[in-house]
Amino acid sequence: GAVVSQHPSRVICKSGTSVKIECRSLDFQATTMFWYRQFPKQSLMLMATSNEGSKATYEQGVEKDKFLINHASLTLSTLTVTSAHPEDSSFYICSAGRGVGGPAKNIQYFGAGTRLSVL
Amino acid sequence: SQQGEEDPQALSIQEGENATMNCSYKTSINNLQWYRQNSGRGLVHLILIRSNEREKHSGRLRVTLDTSKKSSSLLITASRAADTASYFCATDQAGTALIFGKGTTLSVSS
Repeated sequence: GAVVSQHPSRVICKSGTSVKIECRSLDFQATTMFWYRQFPKQSLMLMATSNEGSKATYEQGVEKDKFLINHASLTLSTLTVTSAHPEDSSFYICSAGRGVGGPAKNIQYFGAGTRLSVL
Repeated sequence: SQQGEEDPQALSIQEGENATMNCSYKTSINNLQWYRQNSGRGLVHLILIRSNEREKHSGRLRVTLDTSKKSSSLLITASRAADTASYFCATDQAGTALIFGKGTTLSVSS
């Protein structure tokens, strides 16, 4: 099956620092990856769509200068939370699809998530 | 934005019982998917049902889709303690991004 690796799984940082989260597709190429944010006991909120070789598409209300996304290769997308503040504390999850034809292209494979705590 | 709304929000049952979760959505879809999330982990794809399908089975899972009512249900039969997790429905929008519902938290006690 398709495997998506997300690192780190947990990070604690001081307010004002930047944190980088990596998302890798291990056994397939992903031209598109997605970044979600999840608050406790709530659903996943799509933050942005990361496209290999081009700028990410951000959802309404998501600050692109705050959440920098880079999709430098077909297997790696990174999310950098810049100048993190306590309100950025959350669970961040990435996903990728195989992009093959038919309805299966809509199946997403998720990383294990990163729990960010900003002190 | 959120597309789906699941109910109930929380469900507690005994092992061996069946668990039914429902999902409603607002706009037209190409397909609907169900995912499972263990606490503090990523999501795992369970099953996908196309808009022209009415019912689909996978092991102990049974999914129905009623496009006229814009609703879907997930039935887990003969539940086990290991089924304890949150379950989300997800629908596709333009492109391949998924929009998730609020989820149902299932607790199965032995």
